[in-house]
Amino acid sequence: TQLLEQSPQFLSIQEGENLTVYCNSSSVFSSLQWYRQEPGEGPVLLVTVVTGGEVKKLKRLTFQFGDARKDSSLHITAAQPGDTGLYLCAGRKNYGGSQGNLIFGKGTKLSVKP
Amino acid sequence: KAGVTQTPRYLIKTRGQQVTLSCSPISGHRSVSWYQQTPGQGLQFLFEYFSETQRNKGNFPGRFSGRQFSNSRSEMNVSTLELGDSALYLCASSRSFTGTAYSYEQYFGPGTRLTVT
Repeated sequence: TQLLEQSPQFLSIQEGENLTVYCNSSSVFSSLQWYRQEPGEGPVLLVTVVTGGEVKKLKRLTFQFGDARKDSSLHITAAQPGDTGLYLCAGRKNYGGSQGNLIFGKGTKLSVKP
Repeated sequence: KAGVTQTPRYLIKTRGQQVTLSCSPISGHRSVSWYQQTPGQGLQFLFEYFSETQRNKGNFPGRFSGRQFSNSRSEMNVSTLELGDSALYLCASSRSFTGTAYSYEQYFGPGTRLTVT
């Protein structure tokens, strides 16, 4: 059972379009992170969200953490070919004061065509 | 500041052999985690070390082991390699294991691509 479900799995769009990627769970997370990974490289951290309802913006990327801290979304405005990559969400759960390991979703593979 | 480094970057081994992978964290980072990434399963957690102690362990067989040294560098070992162990092995470091969420943000190395034939 995948603890963090990402959708869609694949997304192919034209340059200039907007898109939203979702990360959902039935569990509560103490924090959630988004990463982007390019082929042959390690994931690169984009953002960390910790408060329910929190919204963070990174240039054309907008990240939102759900009010109940069970889900998150990543919205990209006016996508560019340089946004192409695998987008991963990852969350940590709190076990009675101790932090569990980082749990990853399977990712959304985004392709932006010029 | 230099990023996380992993050696070697590529490795080809035969079934039954063993392999040791190395990870040097970002300077000042004391926690190191290891992950296995495959197309089918995605990123799966192996283990996490802080101050030379294993803090968390994933659901992998005992053939997978790791350790952390006093300088925070870490190694992972896989014994009796199987074809299914072919994967990208990623190491990530973070400042700490406790504190705020920002203190355990993880920064990844480029990975070691292991191929078992």
